[in-house]
Amino acid sequence: GENVEQHPSTLSVQEGDSAVIKCTYSDSASNYFPWYKQELGKRPQLIIDIRSNVGEKKDQRIAVTLNKTAKHFSLHITETQPEDSAVYFCASFQTQGGSEKLVFGKGTKLTVNP
Amino acid sequence: NAGVMQNPRHLVRRRGQEARLRCSPMKGHSHVYWYRQLPEEGLKFMVYLQKENIIDESGMPKERFSAEFPKEGPSILRIQQVVRGDSAAYFCASSLGTGDQPQHFGDGTRLSIL
Repeated sequence: GENVEQHPSTLSVQEGDSAVIKCTYSDSASNYFPWYKQELGKRPQLIIDIRSNVGEKKDQRIAVTLNKTAKHFSLHITETQPEDSAVYFCASFQTQGGSEKLVFGKGTKLTVNP
Repeated sequence: NAGVMQNPRHLVRRRGQEARLRCSPMKGHSHVYWYRQLPEEGLKFMVYLQKENIIDESGMPKERFSAEFPKEGPSILRIQQVVRGDSAAYFCASSLGTGDQPQHFGDGTRLSIL
């Protein structure tokens, strides 16, 4: 079945630095890749998503890149701030074998040190 | 402009009891997904429903777990004869459609089994 690998599992950066989180997926038919931010005890919040017909998407300090050939996608956060500290999850939408579901990575705990 | 509403936020049950978790999707959304999250882990897909139909239940245990999304009212995730291992956060998400439509999450129900 579909598998999504996410790295690193923890990431610590200084305020103002950039943070990069990478994910790989196995289902070549996947065509939708969202990223969620989850603060402690809160709901996962959609922060950005990308579809397979584009290679890059940017929204202010957040950008996502997608390489369909290599089956990997990445989240880039620039000029990090302490409020960016949270767990970030990547996901891939799977449609194999009649199944329709988001498959999530295990998450990256990002800490931005002031 | 209410988002996805889940209740209760916290639920405590003793082993062997039944747990009922409710989810009202965002206005206009007819697709509902249930996920389970263990502490320090990612989100695991359980079931995908549309009104009066279960579309994909491949992530839901065959025994003790059931889900429904009736024509009127919220979606219900039901766990019968709960065991300690059922303790987790259960999140519901809704979307406008399937495929590359963004899923928006509720605040979750934290289930604790004594």
